[in-house]
Order: sequence, then structure tokens, then C-alpha cells
Amino acid sequence: AQSVTQLGSHVSVSEGALVLLRCNYSSSVPPYLFWYVQYPNQGLQLLLKYTSAATLVKGINGFEAEFKKSETSFHLTKPSAHMSDAAEYFCAVTYPGFQKLVFGTGTRLLVSP
Amino acid sequence: DAGITQSPRHKVTETGTPVTLRCHQTENHRYMYWYRQDPGHGLRLIHYSYGVKDTDKGEVSDGYSVSRSKTEDFLLTLESATSSQTSVYFCAISEGSGRDLGNIQYFGAGTRLSVL
Repeated sequence: AQSVTQLGSHVSVSEGALVLLRCNYSSSVPPYLFWYVQYPNQGLQLLLKYTSAATLVKGINGFEAEFKKSETSFHLTKPSAHMSDAAEYFCAVTYPGFQKLVFGTGTRLLVSP
Repeated sequence: DAGITQSPRHKVTETGTPVTLRCHQTENHRYMYWYRQDPGHGLRLIHYSYGVKDTDKGEVSDGYSVSRSKTEDFLLTLESATSSQTSVYFCAISEGSGRDLGNIQYFGAGTRLSVL
């Protein structure tokens, strides 16, 4: 069975500070991993994905994530937070050939001026 | 939103009444999904479809049924709505080729359902 754990239901940062959102996965086979973002009253939008190519993945809006097999982690980072980054972020896992995603419970990012 | 339309966007209904939510896509993607989103639970899969008239259950399928008579439409029905089904419902689609697209899912804008 696959699962993801997102540590921290809420993360607060100041504008300009580093953003770090944590995701740890569990998978019995090499995983595909995703980060999605959800802005208020909207659907989910793909930020980035890992599909067994480069372990450092760059996404939209300056976000990136690094796949670390030894730590079973796929943490999301951004060097400098913007007010517009305030949203909820979801980590998700699947594997090649499996057509269902398993989502984490989400982390709400709050950005203060 | 990747050619996905959910209707209605908001609905208020009473306990015991039937409710149908519609998802319409213009992408001709093979896979379609219904999720519910609740605080503290993230997104949970209700049902999904892998082709016309081909559907399967997700992790929270009790009290829900689905139908897909055309590639572009995927309907979610609550046969007799309960207050526990108050939630935000999202439809998603996936091309599902399994190559380096990596099973990417694209989401609709959601339907907010309140069961009183």
C-alpha cells in the first residue's frame, strides 16, 4: 500500500523567507510523486512531479522538490516566499501503471508581510 | 482548468434527497475521478472510471454511485444524501498513458455541497 504523510497542517512564514513543506512517502515500488497547490475556492493545480528522472525537480512559481530515497522524502521548497504563495499544498504518490493517486492531508501555507 | 467543467458549483439540499453532480471534459481523456475534500482528510477517492461504462470504487464509495455513458461525462450520484456527505467534490481527469506523463491528474473547480 502507498501513503504520504505531510508534517504540519499549517506552516507560517514571513514574506521573503524560505518555504519548506514536508512530505514523506511509503511505497513498496519506486514511486511517482507530485505536489499540487490549491488556491482558495479553486481546484488543484500541478506544481511539479517526480517520475524517476532527475531527483531535483523544478516546478512552477519558483518551487522545487528533491526526491531522497534514503529518507523516503519529497519536500517542497522555495527560497523566498511571496504573499501570492499563500495556499494549501498537497503531496501525492502513485507508481508507474497505477492510475490512482494517494494524497496527503495537505499543508496550509500562511505568508505574512 | 484543463477543459473540465463541474456542475453545479454550489448546491444545498436536504437529507434523504437524491443529488447528481456532473463532470464534463473536453480533453478526451480516458480516466475520470471523483474525490471529496474534507478538512484534515485531504482528498479521498470516491469512484473512478477507466472508460465508457467502466468504473471502480475508491476508498470512500459507500453511499455514492457513478455512471459514464460517454467519454466526456462522469456523473456522481448520492442516492439519499446525508449530512456526512456535506463536502467539496472534485472531478479529475487523466490521460493515463503511463509513460513519462506520470499519471498526471487535472482537476475541475469543485462543487460545494451542503446537506441540511
